[in-house]
Formats: sequence, C-alpha cells, structure tokens
Amino acid sequence: AQSVSQHNHHVILSEAASLELGCNYSYGGTVNLFWYVQYPGQHLQLLLKYFSGDPLVKGIKGFEAEFIKSKFSFNLRKPSVQWSDTAEYFCAVKPNSGYSTLTFGKGTMLLVSP
Amino acid sequence: GAGVSQSPSNKVTEKGKDVELRCDPISGHTALYWYRQRLGQGLEFLIYFQGNSAPDKSGLPSDRFSAERTGESVSTLTIQRTQQEDSAVYLCASSVTPGATALEQYFGPGTRLTVT
Repeated sequence: AQSVSQHNHHVILSEAASLELGCNYSYGGTVNLFWYVQYPGQHLQLLLKYFSGDPLVKGIKGFEAEFIKSKFSFNLRKPSVQWSDTAEYFCAVKPNSGYSTLTFGKGTMLLVSP
Repeated sequence: GAGVSQSPSNKVTEKGKDVELRCDPISGHTALYWYRQRLGQGLEFLIYFQGNSAPDKSGLPSDRFSAERTGESVSTLTIQRTQQEDSAVYLCASSVTPGATALEQYFGPGTRLTVT
C-alpha cells in the first residue's frame, strides 16, 4: 500500500518569503500526485496535480510542484507567499493502476504573517 | 454548478447514540468517497461507491460504520453506538469516474462530529 509523508506539520512565514513544502511518497509503481489546499472555513480544493509529462506542474495562485521520481518526491513551491496563502496543504498520491484510492499526507499548516 | 454538499455541518451527540451523515454529490458524478479527518491527522479513506454499489469498504474502521447510496446520488454514512474516538470531520467527495487517472475528487465542506 502507498503512503505519503509531509515533512512539516506547521510552517510560519512572513509575506514575500519563499515557500517549499516537502512531500514524499512510497509506492513502487506509476503514480498520480496531487496537492490540495484547505483555506480557513472552506472546502478542500485541488491546487495542482501531476499525472504524466513535464514533471514541473503549475497550479492556481502561483503555486508549482516538481515531481522527482528518483526521490519519490512532489514538493510544493511558491516564490513569494501572501497572507491569503494561510491554509492547510495536503499532498496525496494515487497509484496509476485502474481503481485505487487517494492516500493523503497528514497536512502542513501554513501561517503567513503580514 | 452546485458543488458537493453535506449535512449537518456540525453534529454533537452523546456517546452510544447513532448518527447519520448525509452527502449530496455533484450531479452526474458516479463515484463517491467518504473520508474521515481526525484532529492533527490526514484524511483517512473510509468507503468508495461506484453508482449504488460499494466495491471498496476497506477503510471502514469497525462494523459500527456503514454507508449506503441510493439513486446514484445521495449517500448516508451511519455510525452506530458512537464512541468518543469517532469525533472527527467526515468529508465526502465525488468524481466523474471512479479512480480514473488523475481525475479530480471534489470535496464537500464536511460534517464535524463531536461525541461527548
């Protein structure tokens, strides 16, 4: 079975700082990878996803993530965070083999101070 | 269009009582998923529906948990004889087809269950 590890449970940054949230997964085969975000009081929503092709994927609100297969990683980045990026971020993996469930990491709570 | 809706948004119940949580998926989405999110934890998969059948119940934590789906739309998650460890946010998601490659799951707002 697959698993996902997110390195930081809490991250505190000042506005304009750069962000990188770590995500590693364990699974021997081909995977689809996702970052979901949950803003305070809102639903979980998809930030970006990778399923094939260019390992550098761009999502909404200036976020991007890079799939490094050799490292089993899918780290989320943003060059300059804003206060409105304060949210909880979840990495998720799904084996690319017919039906399979999404497995989520435990989440990283990002607090951006103005 | 309308997203996934869940009701109630909050539920406080006494230990030992039964509760029912409801999910209305996006119209036309054949796949429906239930997850549980306990404080400080990631999302735990509970059960998946394809249409009205549930080919994957592997995440249900005990036989006190059950779910059904009718008319390929509404689903209810029932927890019998609730325990304090059942306190969590219960999330429902739906997608166009089940587990298809990279297709997005759309999440509802969740039901926050507190067992006292």
